[in-house]
Amino acid sequence: GQNIDQPTEMTATEGAIVQINCTYQTSGFNGLFWYQQHAGEAPTFLSYNVLDGLEEKGRFSSFLSRSKGYSYLLLKELQMKDSASYLCAGVLRSNDYKLSFGAGTTVTVRA
Amino acid sequence: GAGVSQSPSNKVTEKGKDVELRCDPISGHTALYWYRQSLGQGLEFLIYFQGNSAPDKSGLPSDRFSAERTGGSVSTLTIQRTQQEDSAVYLCASSAGRGNTIYFGEGSWLTVV
Repeated sequence: GQNIDQPTEMTATEGAIVQINCTYQTSGFNGLFWYQQHAGEAPTFLSYNVLDGLEEKGRFSSFLSRSKGYSYLLLKELQMKDSASYLCAGVLRSNDYKLSFGAGTTVTVRA
Repeated sequence: GAGVSQSPSNKVTEKGKDVELRCDPISGHTALYWYRQSLGQGLEFLIYFQGNSAPDKSGLPSDRFSAERTGGSVSTLTIQRTQQEDSAVYLCASSAGRGNTIYFGEGSWLTVV
């Protein structure tokens, strides 16, 4: 299977930067997604990395290293509304329609 | 439609009853997925459709669960003889095809009492 590992929770201060790491088994890997999920709501798409490197979208950036089986989501200039669960999801080449989700990282932003 | 639409948004049912959950994907999206999320847990894959066929049903937890898709559009997830452990939010998602970004609906929150 595809083991997706990410920390359970992180806390940071408003205005700060937080980096959420995600590791996965590299065999058959075909891409990695990040989703944001606020409590009681459905996940919303943040980013998709299929090639190595950093992709930046405003305050959020996502990085991928395929050889290391590693990704991170970087949240800059944290705002209170960024308090949410962040889900890392991998796509298998042989099974590339099915996203395998990690358990999610709960980020709490404090004033 | 503009987004993935699911109904009902909330359902409370008695143990042993059957329930049907409906998903209307984004217009033109050929791929449709069902996921389940129990309270405080991660997303659990249930089933995937490409068009009207379901090449992967491996996530369905038991034979009480079934799903169909008609006309390459609307899908229905049916749970027969519901049990309390079926209580969860059932999320539907769609995408333009394999490997493309999937977009989630707001979910159907099921409570079995």
